[in-house]
Amino acid sequence: DAMVIQNPRYQVTQFGKPVTLSCSQTLNHNVMYWYQQKSSQAPKLLFHYYDKDFNNEADTPDNFQSRRPNTSFCFLDIRSPGLGDAAMYLCATRDPGQGLSTEAFFGQGTRLTVV
Amino acid sequence: GEDVEQSLFLSVREGDSSVINCTYTDSSSTYLYWYKQEPGAGLQLLTYIFSNMDMKQDQRLTVLLNKKDKHLSLRIADTQTGDSAIYFCAEQNQGGKLIFGQGTELSVKP
Repeated sequence: DAMVIQNPRYQVTQFGKPVTLSCSQTLNHNVMYWYQQKSSQAPKLLFHYYDKDFNNEADTPDNFQSRRPNTSFCFLDIRSPGLGDAAMYLCATRDPGQGLSTEAFFGQGTRLTVV
Repeated sequence: GEDVEQSLFLSVREGDSSVINCTYTDSSSTYLYWYKQEPGAGLQLLTYIFSNMDMKQDQRLTVLLNKKDKHLSLRIADTQTGDSAIYFCAEQNQGGKLIFGQGTELSVKP
């Protein structure tokens, strides 16, 4: 059973039109991450939540925002998508209190196309 | 700074062993990971190794870590066509953040 679920799997949005990507988890993990992966590139961390504490990466554009209303859900909001924001967006969770293993669990990703 | 480097392509014949190499710069990395990504899919964790270990074996997978040289490798024994994918090396820093390499595209020819 999927433990980190991203919806939708494929999203097409218009240039400049706000879009929201969704991630939910059944693992009850404290930490949730959003990564951006452009074609043929490594995933790049945008930001993460440790419980309700939001941690933004220094080079994440202001165009990208996030919300975490509760432990299970985390949203990625792109306020004004540009063509350069077309990418696979990956959500991941982790429980830093696991001790031996701090494996990050990834969702299947949402592929965003901007037209 | 934190950086992870991998060669971009590897081609092997079915049944041979594949060795994918990775170098990293952060000497305080806690864990190092290998992820597999098939076309259009998310990341699948294959294996990981603690920074105080030098080898880990898991069925067809062998991970070698040379901490002195900051070099990590993934060996896949008896490589199959289903192993064709992109393999990402990632280091986890003290804050829990994952830094990924660019990925090695493994092509397995029958």
